[in-house]
Amino acid sequence: GQQLNQSPQSMFIQEGEDVSMNCTSSSIFNTWLWYKQDPGEGPVLLIALYKAGELTSNGRLTAQFGITRKDSFLNISASIPSDVGIYFCAGQQYSGGGADGLTFGKGTHLIIQP
Amino acid sequence: DSGVTQTPKHLITATGQRVTLRCSPRSGDLSVYWYQQSLDQGLQFLIQYYNGEERAKGNILERFSAQQFPDLHSELNLSSLELGDSALYFCASTGINSGNTIYFGEGSWLTVV
Repeated sequence: GQQLNQSPQSMFIQEGEDVSMNCTSSSIFNTWLWYKQDPGEGPVLLIALYKAGELTSNGRLTAQFGITRKDSFLNISASIPSDVGIYFCAGQQYSGGGADGLTFGKGTHLIIQP
Repeated sequence: DSGVTQTPKHLITATGQRVTLRCSPRSGDLSVYWYQQSLDQGLQFLIQYYNGEERAKGNILERFSAQQFPDLHSELNLSSLELGDSALYFCASTGINSGNTIYFGEGSWLTVV
């Protein structure tokens, strides 16, 4: 089946630092999405990317949809304590007139050290 | 609050038993997805329903089944449970009213003992 390679697996950073994580795939996706999951919660959508090459920002978050449709990155600038959590990339394809289920990366654990 | 409601939030049951997880999608969303999250497998897509009909299947075991009812709520049935079925099960929904964005519920924690 399809797989997304997400890296890094975990990050230990200082508050105020910038963060970068990425996902690559052997398959082409129509949509790339980035989610954040807090303990005991479901994934919450951060950014959705719909076109190859698209660069989208949401506050301190910036994500890009790779030109080849096989990769995406997420940057977080000036990290703050509430950024702690697990970040997932997800790819989505469309077939049969509708959107297929999401394929998720393994997640990046973001830990902010005091 | 994503608008997707799942019950129960926590469930402990014995091996060999059967459980049903319930999901109410966001108002107006016709598509419902079920996902399984475990430590070793991560988030895995199980199955999708659209307006009452099965639309797509992912890594769903034959012991598992789902359905979507006329009022658009969905149920995931897990039978002959094994220890390895212990996981967090998420429901997600999407539709035109949601801008085709997939929103997740808070999940149902299943522990099989």
